[in-house]
Amino acid sequence: AQSVTQLGSHVSVSEGALVLLRCNYSSSVPPYLFWYVQYPNQGLQLLLKYTSAATLVKGINGFEAEFKKSETSFHLTKPSAHMSDAAEYFCAVSAFTGNQFYFGTGTSLTVIP
Amino acid sequence: EPEVTQTPSHQVTQMGQEVILRCVPISNHLYFYWYRQILGQKVEFLVSFYNNEISEKSEIFDDQFSVERPDGSNFTLKIRSTKLEDSAMYFCASSEPVSGGPKDTQYFGPGTRLTVL
Repeated sequence: AQSVTQLGSHVSVSEGALVLLRCNYSSSVPPYLFWYVQYPNQGLQLLLKYTSAATLVKGINGFEAEFKKSETSFHLTKPSAHMSDAAEYFCAVSAFTGNQFYFGTGTSLTVIP
Repeated sequence: EPEVTQTPSHQVTQMGQEVILRCVPISNHLYFYWYRQILGQKVEFLVSFYNNEISEKSEIFDDQFSVERPDGSNFTLKIRSTKLEDSAMYFCASSEPVSGGPKDTQYFGPGTRLTVL
């Protein structure tokens, strides 16, 4: 069965600093991996997804994530944090058969001015 | 940009009452989903729906739950007799089967916060 683990339920960074949100996956088959962001009172918005093409995936708002099979990781990064990046971030893996997603517990990102 | 909408944003109900949560998926999408997130826990899959029938459901989705697409636009989740532990944020999602499988992006609504007293 697939699952993801997000290390750190809360991450704080200074404005302009590197953002690193961690996600490790567990899957017996090549996974499809997703990062979603949730701003207050809004739905989950897709940031980026990995579907076995390039291992470095670029998403919206300057975010990117690198699929590392050897580390079973799909960490989300952004070189320079902006105040508008403050939100909840969710990593998810899709089931190999069927359509359900398995989510992590989420990481709340705070950006300090 | 098309988006998934959900109503109401917050629903308060008494234990044992029936609730219906409503969703309007993106218009050309064919797969519909319900997820829930109990406060402080993971977002959990409940059910997926395709071609007017349930295609998958989780262990959480017991006989108290049902889904329906009553018309061409709405997708509803009904909880027949709510329990305290049903208190959670419920997310609706939809996807367009571009590849017809796990690669398909699911687009989520803003959620309905259900509080059972």
